[in-house]
Amino acid sequence: SAVISQKPSRDICQRGTSLTIQCQVDSQVTMMFWYRQQPGQSLTLIATANQGSEATYESGFVIDKFPISRPNLTFSTLTVSNMSPEDSSIYLCSVVDPKFSYEQYFGPGTRLTVT
Amino acid sequence: EDQVTQSPEALRLQEGESSSLNCSYTVSGLRGLFWYRQDPGKGPEFLFTLYSAGEEKEKERLKATLTKKESFLHITAPKPEDSATYLCAVRGTYKYIFGTGTRLKVLA
Repeated sequence: SAVISQKPSRDICQRGTSLTIQCQVDSQVTMMFWYRQQPGQSLTLIATANQGSEATYESGFVIDKFPISRPNLTFSTLTVSNMSPEDSSIYLCSVVDPKFSYEQYFGPGTRLTVT
Repeated sequence: EDQVTQSPEALRLQEGESSSLNCSYTVSGLRGLFWYRQDPGKGPEFLFTLYSAGEEKEKERLKATLTKKESFLHITAPKPEDSATYLCAVRGTYKYIFGTGTRLKVLA
């Protein structure tokens, strides 16, 4: 299974600012996902980030608000732009290597609080 | 429409009191059903993958089973450290769908 790290682990930000979250994987993986998990809720998929192509966003999420980069097979970033208190959430990245299985492995998450 | 429903939403057990969590699913082209454990403030931890009806997987006090419509996560003689939220997810033809989870609390 892949080992995934995220930076920062938590942050407190002021409304109107932006935060970039990094996701690093210890092996090359083709499929990477970004999720949001609001308190007491399940996971909501923001976008799929596959290397070499534009990220694919789910309904309700747009590139201007959540720009994503995927420069190589081990790294991705998610930016939360022009933040509001409603963006307070845990943000998770996950990876899948379909050469082996469809199992998703998750990073430890980034806890974001917007004041 | 593809969907995953977990029950109960919350469960309180005494230490040693065995029970089962349910995950009902509707999905086209099942590519796998997955169970995760999530502790507060942390990312989900992968537990099991099940691919076909009749399949079973075990790990310590946990056993996962799969039918054509649902999966069960059986917890035998649970301990307080088993307290967590247990998430079920399915992979269909194109995407993953997560349930809302069962919050398990095991009392000493």
